Amino acid sequence: DSGVTQTPKHLITATGQRVTLRCSPRSGDLSVYWYQQSLDQGLQFLIQYYNGEERAKGNILERFSAQQFPDLHSELNLSSLELGDSALYFCASSVESGSSYNEQFFGPGTRLTVL
Amino acid sequence: GQNIDQPTEMTATEGAIVQINCTYQTSGFNGLFWYQQHAGEAPTFLSYNVLDGLEEKGRFSSFLSRSKGYSYLLLKELQMKDSASYLCAVKDNYGQNFVFGPGTRLSVLP
Repeated sequence: DSGVTQTPKHLITATGQRVTLRCSPRSGDLSVYWYQQSLDQGLQFLIQYYNGEERAKGNILERFSAQQFPDLHSELNLSSLELGDSALYFCASSVESGSSYNEQFFGPGTRLTVL
Repeated sequence: GQNIDQPTEMTATEGAIVQINCTYQTSGFNGLFWYQQHAGEAPTFLSYNVLDGLEEKGRFSSFLSRSKGYSYLLLKELQMKDSASYLCAVKDNYGQNFVFGPGTRLSVLP
């Protein structure tokens, strides 16, 4: 158990819909990362937040957005869902101590299925 | 641009040694990580290199050459439970962004 929690574990929805994925980082971790992993692809970095502020942006679609709240939990919002959005969505957290060593701890993931 | 290459698949025998290579071209370099991921599960941290050389951690070792943009993960005394995907990830200098490679799927056979 990494200490990172994600809800829900599974989500099944229809095309065109909007969903929200939730992540709670490890206690003390200020940084949250979101990743998408499709069946035939590696981990694709979506976005990173640090202490409530957006820190880095990867291959995140305009239909997707995220935020980190004052209690440091984060939400990833996916809208106008398409079949191709079906994937495992991972959240990870890290301390962000300022040193280069910065291990990320991954949550169990949310499996999204768009029908 | 950011590019990380790893072999797609590898097969090895229980008890043997296997080396998984990773080459990278990224915008700056601030550390290289190896993660293990079993199918359908979250990645788990294996090793970290920021300086050139070999880091040993039990049955697993990781090597880095920054001048060559090259790393490898060495797994000794392979066990069946080592069958998994191994992900190479590089942290760049800007915004602490992580770039993951496509992963190498290792199958350990009896």
